[in-house]
This record gives sequence, structure tokens and C-alpha cells, in this order.
Amino acid sequence: ELKVEQNPLFLSMQEGKNYTIYCNYSTTSDRLYWYRQDPGKSLESLFVLLSNGAVKQEGRLMASLDTKARLSTLHITAAVHDLSATYFCAVTNSGGYQKVTFGTGTKLQVIP
Amino acid sequence: NAGVTQTPKFRVLKTGQSMTLLCAQDMNHEYMYWYRQDPGMGLRLIHYSVGEGTTAKGEVPDGYNVSRLKKQNFLLGLESAAPSQTSVYFCASSHRAPGSYGYTFGSGTRLTVV
Repeated sequence: ELKVEQNPLFLSMQEGKNYTIYCNYSTTSDRLYWYRQDPGKSLESLFVLLSNGAVKQEGRLMASLDTKARLSTLHITAAVHDLSATYFCAVTNSGGYQKVTFGTGTKLQVIP
Repeated sequence: NAGVTQTPKFRVLKTGQSMTLLCAQDMNHEYMYWYRQDPGMGLRLIHYSVGEGTTAKGEVPDGYNVSRLKKQNFLLGLESAAPSQTSVYFCASSHRAPGSYGYTFGSGTRLTVV
């Protein structure tokens, strides 16, 4: 069974600082997704990582994927308050129906 | 382009009551999903459908039923609501598989069972 773990679960950081959220998964996967959720809102797609070594960047966020280590990272550069949200990674299983399993989420609070 | 629309957005039920949550998508997606979101537990898959007329159980299907009579609609039913079903429910859809685009999510239904 595919298990997805994120850490930390909660992150409070000051504006201007850098930090990384980690997403580990337990079995071979085809692809990995990062989503953002604002309080009381739906989930918004941030990144789709399709292969080993994939790196994608959008503004102050950069995501990478290491399929050999079964690890994805979401790096935050010079955080700003608007990045405060909960971030989820999600992973598909390999082969057959591509079920997506979500991590428990990382709640990010950026303090001005 | 509405994307994925969920109705209702909020609902309070008494224990034992029944209700149906409706999910509608206008993107001609094959796959549709129902998830529930509880604090500290991420999203858990309840049921999913890979096409019109098909449904399958996910991770936490007990107490729920679903139907996909039309490609664009995916209904989630609670026959006899229980307080443990208090949650936020999200519908999502995707092309044949999540693939290169992942899911498109609806805005959610906040359900409270008292």
C-alpha cells in the first residue's frame, strides 16, 4: 500500500526566510503532485513532477523529485505572508489504475 | 467554464438522516472522485469512477454510496448519517488518469452531522 508522509506537519516561519517541505512515499510511483489549500478553500494545483530529477519553479516555490529516494521537496525562497496555506503532496501508484494518495499536509504560517 | 461544481456548499444533518451530494463537471473528464478531508488526515478517497456507469470503492467507503449515471455527474449518498461523517467533502475529476494535469477539485461541501 502506498503511503505518503510529509514533514513538517506545521511550519511557522518569518518573512524573508527559506525553508523546505519534504514528501516521502513508500513505493514506486509514476508521478507526484503538489497542491495548495487556503483556509476554507479548495485545492489548487501547483506542480506536477513526471520523472526523476524533475524540477519546477513558480515564483518563490520550487519543487523537485528524486524517484530513487522516493522523495520530493518543496522549497520556499524568501517567504512572504501570501504563501501562508496548507501544502499537500500527492503520489500516484505505478501501473494499473492510477490511484492518487495524498500526504497529510503541511500547514505553513509566514509571520510578517 | 465552471470546472467542477459541488452542491450544496454547507449542510447540517441530524443523525440518521440521508442526503445526496452532487458533483458536476463540464470538462468531459472520464474519472471522478469523492474525497473527505479531516483535520490532520489529509484527503482520503471514498469512492471513484473511471467512466459513466462505473464506480469503485476507495480507502474509506463504508457508510457511503455513489452513482455515475451521466458522465458529467457523480453523486455521493449518505443513507443514514453518523457524527463520524462530519467532514469536508471534495469532488475531483481528471482525464483518463491524473496524468500530467492532476485533478481539478470542486470547492467542497462542509457537512456537519449532529
